Amino acid sequence: NAGVTQTPKFQVLKTGQSMTLQCAQDMNHEYMSWYRQDPGMGLRLIHYSVGAGITDQGEVPNGYNVSRSTTEDFPLRLLSAAPSQTSVYFCASSGTSVDEQFFGPGTRLTVL
Amino acid sequence: AQSVAQPEDQVNVAEGNPLTVKCTYSVSGNPYLFWYVQYPNRGLQFLLKYITGDNLVKGSYGFEAEFNKSQTSFHLKKPSALVSDSALYFCAVNSSSASKIIFGSGTRLSIRP
Repeated sequence: NAGVTQTPKFQVLKTGQSMTLQCAQDMNHEYMSWYRQDPGMGLRLIHYSVGAGITDQGEVPNGYNVSRSTTEDFPLRLLSAAPSQTSVYFCASSGTSVDEQFFGPGTRLTVL
Repeated sequence: AQSVAQPEDQVNVAEGNPLTVKCTYSVSGNPYLFWYVQYPNRGLQFLLKYITGDNLVKGSYGFEAEFNKSQTSFHLKKPSALVSDSALYFCAVNSSSASKIIFGSGTRLSIRP
C-alpha cells in the first residue's frame, strides 16, 4: 500500500493564480481531511469529508474548495492564491473520525 | 465549538527524566482525544488515543496519556525521556457531537543528553 500520497511536493505560485493540490489514499478510508501547518499555529483544519460526496468546512475554509467524487481522492483547490496561503499542506485519512489518521508527506506551497 | 490548547510552546527535559506535555480541551459531547508526533523531515505519526474506558492510555514508543474529565485534560507522559523523543507533539480532539478533528498549536519537546 502506498498509504496517503500528495502531489506536488513543492509549488510556487503568483498571487491570483489557481491550482489544485492532489491527495489520494489506497486504504479504502471513508474519512479524509486537509490541514495547513504554519509556525506557531499548529495544524489547522481546512476541509474534511466523511465519505464520497460529503464535504464540510473546517476552521479555515476561506479561499479553498474541495470535492470528494471517489473514496480514494480528495483534491484541494486554491481559487485565487494569496500570500497568506503560503504554508505546508497535509492531507490525512482514517477509517472514521475516531480512528488513527494517516498523513501524507505534505505539499510546501509558496505564494509570491 | 471544540478547541484544544497546548499551553507550552517548548518543553526541555534531561535524558532519563520523566516528561509531561500538557493538553486541555473543550468540546460538546464526549471527547475523543489523540496525540501525534512530528519528527524533523518526517511526517506526522499517531501515538495514542482515548475514546472510552480506562483513563490511562498506553501508546507507541513508551508514551502514555491520562484522560482527566474534571480537568478537561489529556497530558502526554513518559517515565524516562530519550534524546530520540525530541520532536514536535500535537494534541487533537474530536467529539461525539461532531466529526471535526481539531489540533493544538503543538509543543516542541527537547531532550538534552
